[in-house]
Amino acid sequence: NAGVTQTPKFQVLKTGQSMTLQCAQDMNHNSMYWYRQDPGMGLRLIYYSASEGTTDKGEVPNGYNVSRLNKREFSLRLESAAPSQTSVYFCASSAQAQPQHFGDGTRLSIL
Amino acid sequence: QKEVEQDPGPLSVPEGAIVSLNCTYSNSAFQYFMWYRQYSRKGPELLMYTYSSGNKEDGRFTAQVDKSSKYISLFIRDSQPSDSATYLCAMSGRTNSGYALNFGKGTSLLVTP
Repeated sequence: NAGVTQTPKFQVLKTGQSMTLQCAQDMNHNSMYWYRQDPGMGLRLIYYSASEGTTDKGEVPNGYNVSRLNKREFSLRLESAAPSQTSVYFCASSAQAQPQHFGDGTRLSIL
Repeated sequence: QKEVEQDPGPLSVPEGAIVSLNCTYSNSAFQYFMWYRQYSRKGPELLMYTYSSGNKEDGRFTAQVDKSSKYISLFIRDSQPSDSATYLCAMSGRTNSGYALNFGKGTSLLVTP
């Protein structure tokens, strides 16, 4: 009964390092999403994938790239990490127009 | 102006009280309305889901949507200390970002024994 699984749960990076956040879902959902959550800012959409083979920018895409590897997996990459990208990152999945189900997040700190 | 507005609180109530949480929104395209509960260091968990206007009840929780006023509410009856969490309203519709959710900033609720 895993739902949405995110790895890693915690990570500390130095400015300029790169990293990929992994997300996998086992609910056979077509749509997947990446959000970041910052104090006082709420959850903001970074990128989404409405279906396998498609990706689109959300509200705050700068500094990120994504890959929809297959129906189950959707990864988020930081090519050159910056302190402003310190945040908690959440992955979610859903069937079209249905509520999204979230993972427990990756807490990322960039020094 | 953000599309979804939600008072961040914090809101502190005694155990057994009725809690009222609210959000307003500006985008008429929103048709799907949700409330999520988020415990500390966990992901948002779906609590209530409503399509279009009306009321929905699930145990101690009631969600109301008034599309004419662009206003949604969540009521918690007989509140318990275990209800202490951050409550996020979220909504979606056919927009430029598909059916991606638009979130309020969340209201922090503390229920004291």
